[in-house]
Amino acid sequence: KQEVTQIPAALSVPEGENLVLNCSFTDSAIYNLQWFRQDPGKGLTSLLLIQSSQREQTSGRLNASLDKSSGRSTLYIAASQPGDSATYLCAVREETSGSRLTFGEGTQLTVNP
Amino acid sequence: DVKVTQSSRYLVKRTGEKVFLECVQDMDHENMFWYRQDPGLGLRLIYFSYDVKMKEKGDIPEGYSVSREKKERFSLILESASTNQTSMYLCASSLWAAGPYEQYFGPGTRLTVT
Repeated sequence: KQEVTQIPAALSVPEGENLVLNCSFTDSAIYNLQWFRQDPGKGLTSLLLIQSSQREQTSGRLNASLDKSSGRSTLYIAASQPGDSATYLCAVREETSGSRLTFGEGTQLTVNP
Repeated sequence: DVKVTQSSRYLVKRTGEKVFLECVQDMDHENMFWYRQDPGLGLRLIYFSYDVKMKEKGDIPEGYSVSREKKERFSLILESASTNQTSMYLCASSLWAAGPYEQYFGPGTRLTVT
């Protein structure tokens, strides 16, 4: 059964710092991996989706990488801002699970002014 | 922009009541999903639907049922609400499974069963 782990569970950084969030998954037979942002009490907002054939995706200050063979993905946030404070979740879609996603528990990020 | 809406942001119900949670998407997506999110357990899939009148059980379907009579609407039904169903419920939608399509989420419904 696929398991997705995110480390660290919580992270607090000063404004302006570059940071990396980690996501690992146990079964490398994935179709794609998606990073989401969730603000307190709200739904999930899709940030980036990486296909299994891709190595990375970029959107503004965000860069997500994927190493499928080692079961790892990272989300890099450049020049962090207080508005980046949120919980970041990764989710994998397996090759054999249709549209189903398996989620990690998230990393709670706080960016201090 | 894809928009997924949920009928209520907050809901308080009593034990034993029948509860309906509604989700509507406006992008003609084939797939729709219901998750619940609990601290320490993350997001867990309850049910999903890949077409009108089609449904499949997710990881935790017990105590729930679903209905999809129209493509844009997916309802989650708690037949007899219990306190252990107090949770945040999230609906999502995506295009057909064969594509690399992202899932788009609604704002969530915080359900409290007393």
